Amino acid sequence: DAKTTQPTSMDCAEGRAANLPCNHSTISGNEYVYWYRQIHSQGPQYIIHGLKNNETNEMASLIITEDRKSSTLILPHATLRDTAVYYCIVFSGNTPLVFGKGTRLSVIA
Amino acid sequence: NAGVTQTPKFQVLKTGQSMTLQCAQDMNHEYMSWYRQDPGMGLRLIHYSVGAGITDQGEVPNGYNVSRSTTEDFPLRLLSAAPSQTSVYFCASSQDRLNYGYTFGSGTRLTVV
Repeated sequence: DAKTTQPTSMDCAEGRAANLPCNHSTISGNEYVYWYRQIHSQGPQYIIHGLKNNETNEMASLIITEDRKSSTLILPHATLRDTAVYYCIVFSGNTPLVFGKGTRLSVIA
Repeated sequence: NAGVTQTPKFQVLKTGQSMTLQCAQDMNHEYMSWYRQDPGMGLRLIHYSVGAGITDQGEVPNGYNVSRSTTEDFPLRLLSAAPSQTSVYFCASSQDRLNYGYTFGSGTRLTVV
């Protein structure tokens, strides 16, 4: 599976939108972009995934560029409970899910 | 649904001891995986299974065995515990991996002394 590049850490003010970028320039046509998060030593939590189109659910929005080489996870109104490590993973389903180092998001009051 | 249940939540072992970490899911998921997470690090895949009777190695399989005799259970066995295996272990399952995300258990915190 293609590798991803994420910033090591980011800060976001409470109530503002958190925009987490991810580069996946070598993504293949059959690979999806997945986002998970891990809140302080809990098990990771699935957030959202997409192939080409932008996706939205109750937790977040996922914006994928037209060339699919990068994406952005958007938490529209970040709260303190969104402080976590966020993992961007490209995944085709043919190999197991492999986690990188992720982005540590700190939501600040 | 209980989701993914891991037992025990905490365990202390002496070097050389063996033990089995239990993982059970009640969602009829075919895909199950074991990960370990060392302090301040990301998750690393140990072993995974794509269905009953089928298992394969991940990134860090040495020192661990798995089996998948039923869809529900995916136990992880430590053959001879070493201090390097001190970690938090997470089990995960998924319905079809691609169209649904993985559901993770709450973890087993293992210390080997």
